[in-house]
Amino acid sequence: EAGVTQFPSHSVIEKGQTVTLRCDPISGHDNLYWYRRVMGKEIKFLLHFVKESKQDESGMPNNRFLAERTGGTYSTLKVQPAELEDSGVYFCASSPRQSFVYGYTFGSGTRLTVV
Amino acid sequence: AQTVTQSQPEMSVQEAETVTLSCTYDTSESDYYLFWYKQPPSRQMILVIRQEAYKQQNATENRFSVNFQKAAKSFSLKISDSQLGDAAMYFCAYRSFKQETSGSRLTFGEGTQLTVNP
Repeated sequence: EAGVTQFPSHSVIEKGQTVTLRCDPISGHDNLYWYRRVMGKEIKFLLHFVKESKQDESGMPNNRFLAERTGGTYSTLKVQPAELEDSGVYFCASSPRQSFVYGYTFGSGTRLTVV
Repeated sequence: AQTVTQSQPEMSVQEAETVTLSCTYDTSESDYYLFWYKQPPSRQMILVIRQEAYKQQNATENRFSVNFQKAAKSFSLKISDSQLGDAAMYFCAYRSFKQETSGSRLTFGEGTQLTVNP
């Protein structure tokens, strides 16, 4: 089966610009998660979708970040306007409805650099 | 809230030797899951091994094994007969057993970059 796909793999934007990251989960996976790793620090949870609904968005840093999951399929994470501290690697992961025991399948991440 | 700490930002090992990566965590929960994930350069993060806190027996997956010390809140990863392909960033992660208390999110440590020398 196809894995979790994220694109772009890299993005370099200027401060103040808008960037949209996309994640295509494994087909049939109800759960979709976004995480972020700022350079040298731990990976932090951003939010969790169950199908198209936001189950937990307590990790979203501020209202410059907007996540959507259209029809319970792919998800986008928009940063508008981007700030320097938004630089990092953004990971997406998905899992089936009842497989939380096993963790998730991760994508390769999007490396975002804000200059 | 739970925290996970990996105190070794970098580790190196000679090919065919054994290396141990450290991980400690803090939680008030009695039931939970612990994981080690591996991320090779520019590739996706993959699950290496997992441990259920209610199991006393340490998990083992081929050359990978853990030393789970629940009372000490320690969860180290041992890699035996290290191979060049083991070079990667390794993340320790915690997940609550009770989904309703903290969702199904993972709490990660800072990561340990492992270098394998030929």
